[in-house]
Amino acid sequence: EAGVTQFPSHSVIEKGQTVTLRCDPISGHDNLYWYRRVMGKEIKFLLHFVKESKQDESGMPNNRFLAERTGGTYSTLKVQPAELEDSGVYFCASTQTTNTGELFFGEGSRLTVL
Amino acid sequence: GENVEQHPSTLSVQEGDSAVIKCTYSDSASNYFPWYKQELGKGPQLIIDIRSNVGEKKDQRIAVTLNKTAKHFSLHITETQPEDSAVYFCAASIHTGFQKLVFGTGTRLLVSP
Repeated sequence: EAGVTQFPSHSVIEKGQTVTLRCDPISGHDNLYWYRRVMGKEIKFLLHFVKESKQDESGMPNNRFLAERTGGTYSTLKVQPAELEDSGVYFCASTQTTNTGELFFGEGSRLTVL
Repeated sequence: GENVEQHPSTLSVQEGDSAVIKCTYSDSASNYFPWYKQELGKGPQLIIDIRSNVGEKKDQRIAVTLNKTAKHFSLHITETQPEDSAVYFCAASIHTGFQKLVFGTGTRLLVSP
């Protein structure tokens, strides 16, 4: 069974440009999460989808970030316009159930904003 | 909100030694404490977790202890092997039904042969 896949693995853009990150969760997992790790710091929660609905987006830094999960399958996270402080590794994770399900992480998308 | 502190940031041990990583949390309502291991080029992977109604849990060479009164929990790895080298993250959450985890800053463990 395929795990959580993320694309691209690494993106280098200039300040002011737009980047879209994609996550394909494990098949059948209704819950999809985005987390971010800025250099050397903790992994921080961004938001949580249940199917196509945003359950909690309290961790989204500001309105330059837009996450979607149309159809309740894959998800995208768009940063527009990107700023230097957006650099970091963006992780996607999925679970089948909310109560006891282990979080399965993807390998992450490293974003570098120059 | 919840805040999790993790120490040390780096830990070097010789193969066969034990390694201990410690975390403290601030929110007494937190009741779920997982540990994740991140190997180079991979995403974090759950290695063990503990809930607040349990004081200790073991899984082969790995154990986690929880002190609710002091609000701290620790990961213990015995008989370390080179393949244990990785970054380890502790986390805490109020397990209301979804995995909104608050992570520590990570510990880079290096096990030398």
